[in-house]
Amino acid sequence: QKEVEQNSGPLSVPEGAIASLNCTYSDRGSQSFFWYRQYSGKSPELIMSIYSNGDKEDGRFTAQLNKASQYVSLLIRDSQPSDSATYLCAVEGAAGNKLTFGGGTRVLVKP
Amino acid sequence: EADIYQTPRYLVIGTGKKITLECSQTMGHDKMYWYQQDPGMELHLIHYSYGVNSTEKGDLSSESTVSRIRTEHFPLTLESARPSHTSQYLCASSESGRVAETQYFGPGTRLLVL
Repeated sequence: QKEVEQNSGPLSVPEGAIASLNCTYSDRGSQSFFWYRQYSGKSPELIMSIYSNGDKEDGRFTAQLNKASQYVSLLIRDSQPSDSATYLCAVEGAAGNKLTFGGGTRVLVKP
Repeated sequence: EADIYQTPRYLVIGTGKKITLECSQTMGHDKMYWYQQDPGMELHLIHYSYGVNSTEKGDLSSESTVSRIRTEHFPLTLESARPSHTSQYLCASSESGRVAETQYFGPGTRLLVL
């Protein structure tokens, strides 16, 4: 079992719709969770971080964390073609100091 | 947000050559990382450093080596490049003492070994 798991996709979403991405992790002591966006051929860029159970909103993005169920999700509202990218879930384990990345979910927003 | 730089951005080199990939950051971050990523594949941590004179191997075995003589500089060296080293190499940094491990990435170096 991978430490951080994501559905590889592609997740095809019509323009204007909500894209929902999920991530599960195995280290129950994990404290910090991140979503990165990576365009093809580019480096990852941080979209959001979340540390507490519940929802965190930033513009069109909402991160949701449920530590009891060991999952974190990302919602992209009003999806735009420019949102087409691979989204990486990253988890900082209980030991701290390193991130473990999931394999990423490729999102394709169709006009 | 960190300013983190990598050079060269692209490198095509023959088998057996020694290469050094440069990574520098201007934010005074203590922690620095090297990741390897093949196209469409996962990020793999190959080296990391928590500060000057501190280096550790990552989760993915790598034939490369690193050094950390200065806080802002974290070069990666391949003594003898092979075609299997062809990949994208990403450098990242983060700040110590923060609540969470927010890493910022450089633009990457694409390496092609012929």
